[in-house]
Amino acid sequence: GAVVSQHPSWVICKSGTSVKIECRSLDFQATTMFWYRQFPKQSLMLMATSNEGSKATYEQGVEKDKFLINHASLTLSTLTVTSAHPEDSSFYICSAGSPGQGNYGYTFGSGTRLTVV
Amino acid sequence: DAKTTQPPSMDCAEGRAANLPCNHSTISGNEYVYWYRQIHSQGPQYIIHGLKNNETNEMASLIITEDRKSSTLILPHATLRDTAVYYCIALLNFGNEKLTFGTGTRLTIIP
Repeated sequence: GAVVSQHPSWVICKSGTSVKIECRSLDFQATTMFWYRQFPKQSLMLMATSNEGSKATYEQGVEKDKFLINHASLTLSTLTVTSAHPEDSSFYICSAGSPGQGNYGYTFGSGTRLTVV
Repeated sequence: DAKTTQPPSMDCAEGRAANLPCNHSTISGNEYVYWYRQIHSQGPQYIIHGLKNNETNEMASLIITEDRKSSTLILPHATLRDTAVYYCIALLNFGNEKLTFGTGTRLTIIP
């Protein structure tokens, strides 16, 4: 089945620094990838949609200059949290979709727990 | 996407069938019903999906009412590892549509 690899699984960084999270589709080409954020005891909140080779589309209220998304190839999307602050500490999850994977809807990565100290 | 409504929480005894309901009264004719689950601190996992016929796979069964306004996910023999939040989502099957999550049902399997 379709596999999405997300790395790192957890990261601790200092306030003011930037953190990059990678999301790779291992056995299929992902024309569309999605990035979510999840706070404790809450549901997943969609942050942005990225399509290979074009700019990401951000959901209302998500700062595009703070959460940089790059989807330069059909198998890799990255989310960079710039100038991270403690309030950015959260669980970040990516998912990938492709028309060829339609039977499963979307495949999710295992998530990245970001802690900003 | 059609809005879905699920109970916030349910308990089920280990070894029994867990029946998770979902209301989707505004679902359109070409929207599928998808079920995902999220085990604590992991990414969501696909379970099953269907359009109007009942579906079964190695994980679960999906029963969709004839009018398609509601459905039930059935885990036939629940185990402790089935403790998770279960999400019911109405979705067009195109692979690039936004997938948005509601609050889901927190299922707790009781030993």
